[in-house]
Amino acid sequence: DAEITQSPRHKITETGRQVTLACHQTWNHNNMFWYRQDLGHGLRLIHYSYGVQDTNKGEVSDGYSVSRSNTEDLPLTLESAASSQTSVYFCASSESSHKETQYFGPGTRLLVL
Amino acid sequence: GESVGLHLPTLSVQEGDNSIINCAYSNSASDYFIWYKQESGKGPQFIIDIRSNMDKRQGQRVTVLLNKTVKHLSLQIAATQPGDSAVYFCAENTGTASKLTFGTGTRLQVTL
Repeated sequence: DAEITQSPRHKITETGRQVTLACHQTWNHNNMFWYRQDLGHGLRLIHYSYGVQDTNKGEVSDGYSVSRSNTEDLPLTLESAASSQTSVYFCASSESSHKETQYFGPGTRLLVL
Repeated sequence: GESVGLHLPTLSVQEGDNSIINCAYSNSASDYFIWYKQESGKGPQFIIDIRSNMDKRQGQRVTVLLNKTVKHLSLQIAATQPGDSAVYFCAENTGTASKLTFGTGTRLQVTL
């Protein structure tokens, strides 16, 4: 069955370290998204991509970067982790057309000490 | 499991009763809406969607109602079961891009 996976599921890191969170989908979806979820804020968009070599900033993109070298993967990198980036991170994907459901991965819980 | 919102509005219903979860949206240009369910420690799961050319859509045990006049969306769950206990989010799509804007969610607690 097609699916979307994230790894690691849990990560503890130290302030200043670079961290990369993986997202892999097997639906062949063109659109992929990264969100963070925090108490009182719901889901906030970090970065998104509409296809290979395409990346765009979301509402909370500072301190994060993404790259899209193939259809299946959109890794999220924290260049220099900060305590404010402690959160739960969700990856999602959707088909090419504009008004389509996004399907979510299981999430990565990140703790920055 | 994770806590997605300690201060979320909470709806408590008895098993077997019907549940109604409400969502207000602010952008009158929004034309596509989705309801998601999120259980503790899991990612949001698609429940049902509706486009703005409709005012009602039914799924299995769920119905979504859209009132564009007052910018209000509701999710009705029939014969609520313990497995329905979760946080429910509405999401809206505005414009031509594929991005969604999410509400903060409502926690549904099903009592036996």
